Amino acid sequence: GESVGLHLPTLSVQEGDNSIINCAYSNSASDYFIWYKQESGKGPQFIIDIRSNMDKRQGQRVTVLLNKTVKHLSLQIAATQPGDSAVYFCAENNHRNAGGTSYGKLTFGQGTILTVHP
Amino acid sequence: ETGVTQTPRHLVMGMTNKKSLKCEQHLGHNAMYWYKQSAKKPLELMFVYNFKEQTENNSVPSRFSPECPNSSHLFLHLHTLQPEDSALYLCASSQDANEKLFFGSGTQLSVL
Repeated sequence: GESVGLHLPTLSVQEGDNSIINCAYSNSASDYFIWYKQESGKGPQFIIDIRSNMDKRQGQRVTVLLNKTVKHLSLQIAATQPGDSAVYFCAENNHRNAGGTSYGKLTFGQGTILTVHP
Repeated sequence: ETGVTQTPRHLVMGMTNKKSLKCEQHLGHNAMYWYKQSAKKPLELMFVYNFKEQTENNSVPSRFSPECPNSSHLFLHLHTLQPEDSALYLCASSQDANEKLFFGSGTQLSVL
């Protein structure tokens, strides 16, 4: 899982395996969560999001699971490919503007390095 | 291509130089952001603009000066930077009240 420190967590998998990347968040009031993928030399790219009224959401080859009880978020990548090699960030939205709606100020995790071996 | 374009991609500057980073979004979004990404640290929010108005300054030193002339363009003016300011500077945009951010590819800044 992600944590603050000098070294990013790493995950190495073989091509074709399923990958699970974990993230712990701290604010129980957070109501929106996003996973981003960042390849070398590029900006973060949106993968999938989930709101706190859901426990699971599926995309193409990716699934996000949210466990609000333990404040845990995970990203599952099916049939991982070499092109999936990147740093994966989770982000939570725990800021609200005066109107009480989430505005878009995200708190990012440090990231997990995923390496997929052919 | 995410619809958010940043220039230049790379910038090397001395501590006495003045330079500007540019960001343009083609997504019709109303909010734009500057983030700083340093090695092995989480993304740090610097500034937020909503409808051209600055709504957030996350305790950023005055040597960083943002400018948002319209909802599609965002600048970051740099002056008298320090070597510790070397980082990847990312611009992002979002639809108003939509938390999903779209990022540009960033400007890799090196301060000598």
